[in-house]
Amino acid sequence: EDQVTQSPEALRLQEGESSSLNCSYTVSGLRGLFWYRQDPGKGPEFLFTLYSAGEEKEKERLKATLTKKESFLHITAPKPEDSATYLCAVPGGYNKLIFGAGTRLAVHP
Amino acid sequence: NAGVTQTPKFQVLKTGQSMTLQCAQDMNHEYMSWYRQDPGMGLRLIHYSVGAGITDQGEVPNGYNVSRSTTEDFPLRLLSAAPSQTSVYFCASSTSVGGWNEQYFGPGTRLTVT
Repeated sequence: EDQVTQSPEALRLQEGESSSLNCSYTVSGLRGLFWYRQDPGKGPEFLFTLYSAGEEKEKERLKATLTKKESFLHITAPKPEDSATYLCAVPGGYNKLIFGAGTRLAVHP
Repeated sequence: NAGVTQTPKFQVLKTGQSMTLQCAQDMNHEYMSWYRQDPGMGLRLIHYSVGAGITDQGEVPNGYNVSRSTTEDFPLRLLSAAPSQTSVYFCASSTSVGGWNEQYFGPGTRLTVT
């Protein structure tokens, strides 16, 4: 069964303290992996798409990487405005995305 | 561009009542979908559409109905509300017919069924 697992469920960081979020997946034939950011009370907002192992994408303090079994979202020197829930998703079949439960990130000054 | 809009933002229903959640997009996207988000479970696909007149079931379709008469609109109907349908509902659209490209999400509807 296609599955996406994110860890940790919640992460608390001090401003400037770098860390990584994990997304592991089991799908038959990866056709891409997506990262989204979700602020409280809002819909998810697209961040990155990764298509093949070894691929990396960057946006400001965020860098996403992909291996054959998992993806990491690295956050370098985070700021309080990076606080959000980060979701990853993979195609689980034609026309369908499977989302992980997300990691709630809190960055404190 | 307004993007993806949803109404209402909040709704309280009694068990057995019916209602329609509205979703509209102004980006001319063929693919639209409805998700529900529950604590600890992530987003789960309810129904999706790859174009006007074409809809299909997602992972959790029971108790919900959809139709797509225009490219812009994709309403979700709750036929007879149950407490298990208490959730936050998101509508999304995408440029890709397969839904695998970047998806644009609406702001959500928070539904409580008592």
